[in-house]
Amino acid sequence: DVKVTQSSRYLVKRTGEKVFLECVQDMDHENMFWYRQDPGLGLRLIYFSYDVKMKEKGDIPEGYSVSREKKERFSLILESASTNQTSMYLCAIRGTENRHTGELFFGEGSRLTVL
Amino acid sequence: AQKVTQAQTEISVVEKEDVTLDCVYETRDTTYYLFWYKQPPSGELVFLIRRNSFDEQNEISGRYSWNFQKSTSSFNFTITASQVVDSAVYFCALRSKGAQKLVFGQGTRLTINP
Repeated sequence: DVKVTQSSRYLVKRTGEKVFLECVQDMDHENMFWYRQDPGLGLRLIYFSYDVKMKEKGDIPEGYSVSREKKERFSLILESASTNQTSMYLCAIRGTENRHTGELFFGEGSRLTVL
Repeated sequence: AQKVTQAQTEISVVEKEDVTLDCVYETRDTTYYLFWYKQPPSGELVFLIRRNSFDEQNEISGRYSWNFQKSTSSFNFTITASQVVDSAVYFCALRSKGAQKLVFGQGTRLTINP
């Protein structure tokens, strides 16, 4: 079974703080994604990575950056958190075996509250 | 541009009723993939099904069935004899061949009451 682990289920941060959300996979999958989930908006792609040190912007990258120094770890960084970044953050991977079909496998999510 | 619309924001039914979740999509691509995911209260999205654009056969898996119709750009999901454990948020998603990302609908919150 594919396992995607997000380091924190719940975080509370203050405006202006730097926030790191970590995502770790237990297999050698190439593609990793960060989505944001908000009520009424569904899931929106922030960034994705298709290999170590490779990244591409998604639909809503503003206010975020990412880091992928090792294949198994993909970090989402909020350089200066703002209240409008209060949301559920979901990490996902696409395995090489379903590269062509495209289904993603998700972690349990990190619910971030920015005060 | 690609778009997925789930017009039903919330649905509430009594246990054992049948319920259909609607999904309408937009794409100009001829080859694409459609997905349904379930998000229980625990938060993790669970993959349910993938459908290829060139395969319009309906699919049944136990109490779950999916109706894919290219003519109406719809990929609807029916739960027969619903159970309380079916309560969750359900997402429909679309991916074009060659694209990296999945485009998700807004989600439908389904509540099954005992």
